[in-house]
Amino acid sequence: GENVEQHPSTLSVQEGDSAVIKCTYSDSASNYFPWYKQELGKRPQLIIDIRSNVGEKKDQRIAVTLNKTAKHFSLHITETQPEDSAVYFCAAKDQGGSEKLVFGKGTKLTVNP
Amino acid sequence: GAGVSQSPRYKVAKRGQDVALRCDPISGHVSLFWYQQALGQGPEFLTYFQNEAQLDKSGLPSDRFFAERPEGSVSTLKIQRTQQEDSAVYLCASSAGLAYNEQFFGPGTRLTVL
Repeated sequence: GENVEQHPSTLSVQEGDSAVIKCTYSDSASNYFPWYKQELGKRPQLIIDIRSNVGEKKDQRIAVTLNKTAKHFSLHITETQPEDSAVYFCAAKDQGGSEKLVFGKGTKLTVNP
Repeated sequence: GAGVSQSPRYKVAKRGQDVALRCDPISGHVSLFWYQQALGQGPEFLTYFQNEAQLDKSGLPSDRFFAERPEGSVSTLKIQRTQQEDSAVYLCASSAGLAYNEQFFGPGTRLTVL
């Protein structure tokens, strides 16, 4: 089955700096990679996703890149703001017959004012 | 429109008690998922329904865990004879169907087993 590794586990940046979170996956058949933001005590919320037929997707200050050959994908947040502080999870959709998502362990991002 | 809702939001059980957790998916969503999220970890898959059919239950930790979705909408996750290691947040998610990837999560039920 699919396995997703995520790093770093914690990331602290100054307001206005960029933040990058990286994930690797094991199943070359995986074709959908979402990123979720989870604030303390709240539900995970999708912030951006990418399908395997594209290499990069951007939405305002957030971008995701995908390298299918290397089986890794990254989240890039530019011009970080304090409200970006949260735990971010990457995931890959398992291709083993279920529609389940396999999540990384999360990155706690802190943006210092 | 209304998102995914779950009840109760918090549940405290004594070890050995049975609990039932409810999920109301987004109306019309075909696919429904249950995940377990331990403190400081990512969500881990438990089980998956497509309409009323449970197509994957490979993530259920033991036969004490049982899930159902009898009419293809509301789902219930039941845990029998709860143990301390069952303490976690149980998240429900729904999606529109096979051609739609995005999973929308509910707020979760925080289960604490004493």
